[in-house]
Amino acid sequence: RKEVEQDPGPFNVPEGATVAFNCTYSNSASQSFFWYRQDCRKEPKLLMSVYSSGNEDGRFTAQLNRASQYISLLIRDSKLSDSATYLCVVNQAGTALIFGKGTTLSVSS
Amino acid sequence: DAGVIQSPRHEVTEMGQEVTLRCKPISGHNSLFWYRQTMMRGLELLIYFNNNVPIDDSGMPEDRFSAKMPNASFSTLKIQPSEPRDSAVYFCASSSSGTSDTFGSGTRLTVV
Repeated sequence: RKEVEQDPGPFNVPEGATVAFNCTYSNSASQSFFWYRQDCRKEPKLLMSVYSSGNEDGRFTAQLNRASQYISLLIRDSKLSDSATYLCVVNQAGTALIFGKGTTLSVSS
Repeated sequence: DAGVIQSPRHEVTEMGQEVTLRCKPISGHNSLFWYRQTMMRGLELLIYFNNNVPIDDSGMPEDRFSAKMPNASFSTLKIQPSEPRDSAVYFCASSSSGTSDTFGSGTRLTVV
């Protein structure tokens, strides 16, 4: 079983749609959680951290369920510029980040 | 801040040749990571250093791969001899305590 699993997609949505991505992780000792965004042929960049209480950054909302070892990312009012691959990331203290393979989003006009 | 700097951006080499990838982390960051990304396997950690010391190299695929960090501002990843299956994008990233990883632009390696 992979440590971080994501639905690869692609998710094809129209502008203005709301889309949700899910991610599960296998190691219950994981302590930090992130969503990274990667544009085509570019490097991954931090989108947002994920906190147990849930957190929001503009149109983006991240949720963490430690009991179910489940992380989600919700994007409201999708923009064309949101088209990218979204990587779910976890780590334990003192170790390197572990990346999911990513979920591809394509937003069309 | 110039960010994490990797060179070269692209490398095309023949099978059997030695390849050296270079990375300059962000000044002040004490952790450095080498990742490899392919369509099939996604982003995989190869090795990471903390304060210039290799901490976990369990992701290094085989003895053909080696990495060094002679000082806080420079690291290399070497493949010798290279094989076509090594073709991938190699990313270097750095971080410090309390920060998430910042990635360089990557080196796109093609071994023919």
